[in-house]
Amino acid sequence: DARVTQTPRHKVTEMGQEVTMRCQPILGHNTVFWYRQTMMQGLELLAYFRNRAPLDDSGMPKDRFSAEMPDATLATLKIQPSEPRDSAVYFCASGLVQTGVRGFTEAFFGQGTRLTVV
Amino acid sequence: DAKTTQPNSMESNEEEPVHLPCNHSTISGTDYIHWYRQLPSQGPEYVIHGLTSNVNNRMASLAIAEDRKSSTLILHRATLRDAAVYYCILRDPPNTGNQFYFGTGTSLTVIP
Repeated sequence: DARVTQTPRHKVTEMGQEVTMRCQPILGHNTVFWYRQTMMQGLELLAYFRNRAPLDDSGMPKDRFSAEMPDATLATLKIQPSEPRDSAVYFCASGLVQTGVRGFTEAFFGQGTRLTVV
Repeated sequence: DAKTTQPNSMESNEEEPVHLPCNHSTISGTDYIHWYRQLPSQGPEYVIHGLTSNVNNRMASLAIAEDRKSSTLILHRATLRDAAVYYCILRDPPNTGNQFYFGTGTSLTVIP
C-alpha cells in the first residue's frame, strides 16, 4: 500500500532551535508539496517541487524556512531558528505529472508532522 | 488562483444523501474542479475531480453546472466516516502549475 511517509509525527522544540521535517514521497512520484495547517490560516502551500527542482516556494518565509529534495526519495523542510508562531501541522504530499497528460489527478498526503515550538 | 466559496458547515443524517455546494464564478475555461476531504487528525485525501461533465467514482459524484460557475459534490449515503472538512479547489496545470490552494472548506457533520 503506497503512502507518503512523514517523520517525525510529533516534535516539541524550544524557540531558537533548528527543526528538520522529512518526507518520503510515493515511489515514482515526481511532484512534492509542503503545506502548513493552523486553525487561523487553514492549509497554506509552502513549497512545490517537480523532479526535485523547486518550482514555487512563494508561500514560504525565506528568512527561516528552507525546503530541499536531496534525492527523489527524500524531501526536507527546515526551520532555523524556530519560533512559537511556527507551531502547526506540516503536511507533505506527492503526485505524478505525466508527459502529455494535463496535470495529474490526485495528490497523496502524509499524516503530517505536528510541530510545537515553546 | 481562482477563488471558491463554500458554506462553513453542513449537517446530514446518516444514510441520507448529502449535497455539498461550491461556487466558483471566476472559473476559467481551463480550470479543473477538484474535491478533497480531510478527516479528523488526517491529511487531506482526494475525492473526485472534473472539467465539464458530471463525474462518478466509488466515493462520490460531482455535478458541474452548465456554465461551470458552480459544482456540487454528492455523497449518496452519508456514513459517520464521512464526517470531515470538504474542500473544493480549482487547478489549471498548463497555466499555473500543479500546485493547488485550499480554501476554508465545508465541515460536514453526520448525525447518527
